[in-house]
Amino acid sequence: DGGITQSPKYLFRKEGQNVTLSCEQNLNHDAMYWYRQDPGQGLRLIYYSQIVNDFQKGDIAEGYSVSREKKESFPLTVTSAQKNPTAFYLCASSAGQGDYYGYTFGSGTRLTVV
Amino acid sequence: DAKTTQPNSMESNEEEPVHLPCNHSTISGTDYIHWYRQLPSQGPEYVIHGLTSNVNNRMASLAIAEDRKSSTLILHRATLRDAAVYYCILRDVTPGNTGKLIFGQGTTLQVKP
Repeated sequence: DGGITQSPKYLFRKEGQNVTLSCEQNLNHDAMYWYRQDPGQGLRLIYYSQIVNDFQKGDIAEGYSVSREKKESFPLTVTSAQKNPTAFYLCASSAGQGDYYGYTFGSGTRLTVV
Repeated sequence: DAKTTQPNSMESNEEEPVHLPCNHSTISGTDYIHWYRQLPSQGPEYVIHGLTSNVNNRMASLAIAEDRKSSTLILHRATLRDAAVYYCILRDVTPGNTGKLIFGQGTTLQVKP
């Protein structure tokens, strides 16, 4: 079955470390997105990519970096510059930006700073 | 980006219909109305979307006001599995726009047996 796979499901990071969250999709979708969710809050957009080798900052990009070298993959790196990285991270993809293209979400990675 | 307003929480009894309201008074002509729901510790799930006309699918119905300033997601017979946070989102699909989804706080739906 097609879908989005995020790994790992749980991740623990020491302060000062960079960590990379994986997001892979086999839906042949062009667009991919990274969101952050804090407890009791809605989702906030970190980065998005509409095509391979291109990506744009979302609303809260500081302290994060991404790459889009392959259509299927959109990894997110949480750098040491991100002051409060503990959150639930969600990756999504979409066939395009038209109205009839809904988002498909992964099951998320829960990151905790220890 | 146009904003939406939803009640923080709602309750329903199992097997009864549920009407989840959403206000979007600043909606533009190119904004589509999308609904997603999120179960605890899971990613959001697409429910339904529409532009002007009412829409039906296997999960729900979407009723859109004639002036498009409000809409209502209708679950015809709520089940315990429908307990989730429901997000009403406007998506701008103007050519050249990113069409990204901007999430608000959503409505937490509780379903009582």
